[in-house]
Amino acid sequence: DTEVTQTPKHLVMGMTNKKSLKCEQHMGHRAMYWYKQKAKKPPELMFVYSYEKLSINESVPSRFSPECPNSSLLNLHLHALQPEDSALYLCASSRTDMGFNTGELFFGEGSRLTVL
Amino acid sequence: GNSVTQMEGPVTLSEEAFLTINCTYTATGYPSLFWYVQYPGEGLQLLLKATKADDKGSNKGFEATYRKETTSFHLEKGSVQVSDSAVYFCALPNTGFQKLVFGTGTRLLVSP
Repeated sequence: DTEVTQTPKHLVMGMTNKKSLKCEQHMGHRAMYWYKQKAKKPPELMFVYSYEKLSINESVPSRFSPECPNSSLLNLHLHALQPEDSALYLCASSRTDMGFNTGELFFGEGSRLTVL
Repeated sequence: GNSVTQMEGPVTLSEEAFLTINCTYTATGYPSLFWYVQYPGEGLQLLLKATKADDKGSNKGFEATYRKETTSFHLEKGSVQVSDSAVYFCALPNTGFQKLVFGTGTRLLVSP
């Protein structure tokens, strides 16, 4: 069982809709991440939050808006998406933002997004 | 910057066969190296890691040795099971340790 919980598991939205993806972890981790994964590709980093502050934005379009309300929660707000944004969105966490060096990222099962 | 190259898949094996998935890296210094696994319909899980040259990471019967002479971190398992069918990603931190750099992934299919 994963300790990073993502909801919803599946989401279908139109290009004019506004929706949100949610992620929750209770491991006391202080770094949280959003990744995007297209079919048959590796995950691509989108955002990193460290101690509830945005520390990395990988030049993601503004139609994706992250939010970290507290140390356990991470949201990704979606607005005016394009069909090419359809993908699996993965949330991850680690003890600190040095998780990239220790490699100990804990991933959720992902939210599969389809944009019509 | 740091990068990894993985063998193309899919790798198709019968149960109990020996597995090798090749991974070579290019890096400044000697960063930690990782193998992640993604089972169907799931997120990624850290499978094993090695933090310095000549280290051997192991987990669930899988092993990989950090070889600086050949800049390799090949994943091996002596006897695969159907349940090992998944996509395997080799990874290392980028030069500034700001993110993980993943290989392209290798799909493993194990038949009974």
